[in-house]
Amino acid sequence: DTAVSQTPKYLVTQMGNDKSIKCEQNLGHDTMYWYKQDSKKFLKIMFSYNNKELIINETVPNRFSPKSPDKAHLNLHINSLELGDSAVYFCASSPPPMGYTFGSGTRLTVV
Amino acid sequence: GQNIDQPTEMTATEGAIVQINCTYQTSGFNGLFWYQQHAGEAPTFLSYNVLDGLEEKGRFSSFLSRSKGYSYLLLKELQMKDSASYLCAVSRDYKLSFGAGTTVTVRA
Repeated sequence: DTAVSQTPKYLVTQMGNDKSIKCEQNLGHDTMYWYKQDSKKFLKIMFSYNNKELIINETVPNRFSPKSPDKAHLNLHINSLELGDSAVYFCASSPPPMGYTFGSGTRLTVV
Repeated sequence: GQNIDQPTEMTATEGAIVQINCTYQTSGFNGLFWYQQHAGEAPTFLSYNVLDGLEEKGRFSSFLSRSKGYSYLLLKELQMKDSASYLCAVSRDYKLSFGAGTTVTVRA
């Protein structure tokens, strides 16, 4: 059983398209996150939800919209994709303040 | 905010010991974490320090000094499979902020 699973693993799309990444955790954690890891391998937080409520929204363009239908799911929708959005996106969950369990990542390439 | 600094790269020989230092400045603190990330994979949890001192877990140990804003990860008896990026992360409230990572290369 995969603890934090995200789909798809790879996503190649053209500039201007809209795409979604899905994430599900079966750990019973209350808090879920989206992180972006750029080409320099720097992991930066984008959003955090606790029990379906948005609690962290870092400086992220409003083209990015997270949605949490229940505490086990946190999806990320991206509108009007740009070249600079190319990165690896990691979903994670945790029982704060403990550490995270990460999903396997979604490698997004915008061409 | 949080400033987290760690060396970019380190190289060591199989069987040796390597120490990765991490310094941080934060306006709040819930704990310090170390993660390992192999190329193309997700970060995996290695250790957690919330109180000062040394936490030992097999070949890996982590140390924390909250007054100095300093931590280190000690890797002993290095193996080739330890070649990876090691991420220092500071927890505050619901947020984990990461350093840029230290790439460790283990040579035969």
